[in-house]
Amino acid sequence: GQNIDQPTEMTATEGAIVQINCTYQTSGFNGLFWYQQHAGEAPTFLSYNVLDGLEEKGRFSSFLSRSKGYSYLLLKELQMKDSASYLCAVMDSNYQLIWGAGTKLIIKP
Amino acid sequence: DAGITQSPRYKITETGRQVTLMCHQTWSHSYMFWYRQDLGHGLRLIYYSAAADITDKGEVPDGYVVSRSKTENFPLTLESATRSQTSVYFCASSESTSGTLDTQYFGPGTRLTVL
Repeated sequence: GQNIDQPTEMTATEGAIVQINCTYQTSGFNGLFWYQQHAGEAPTFLSYNVLDGLEEKGRFSSFLSRSKGYSYLLLKELQMKDSASYLCAVMDSNYQLIWGAGTKLIIKP
Repeated sequence: DAGITQSPRYKITETGRQVTLMCHQTWSHSYMFWYRQDLGHGLRLIYYSAAADITDKGEVPDGYVVSRSKTENFPLTLESATRSQTSVYFCASSESTSGTLDTQYFGPGTRLTVL
């Protein structure tokens, strides 16, 4: 079966750095996405990785290792507004997105 | 730039009733999707559409019907609502499903409660 694993919940301090991991087992791979979802709102696109390595976009970076079936989202200089759920999703061989259950990130002052 | 909208935003209905959730996008995206989101689960694909008059089942299609007569609209119908269909429903759209164009953009969601 297809599976995306990510931690259920993480806590971090304002101004700090946090890394949210995602491991996947899917039938084929056509890219990995990270989305942010604030409570009661829609998911919004953060990043897309299809090749191994690190993609940096401001305070957010996303890393991919296809051989290990592993990705992480790195958030720097955490702000209170970063409190949200972070969703990892993999596009499989049928070009369908397989979603993880999401990681709820709690930021403390 | 309206983007992608859903209506209604909130709906309470009773078991056995038919309910239709609407989705409209202004980007002329080819692909449209319906997901449900339940606590403890990832987003689960109900149905998707590659173009007008082309639809296909996703992971959890039972109890749902879709149509797409126009590119911009993709309604989802629950023919006879059940309590297990209480959920938050998201519509999404993308330009394609290959490469960077396959980023999906989501509507605000419809919170459906079936009593």
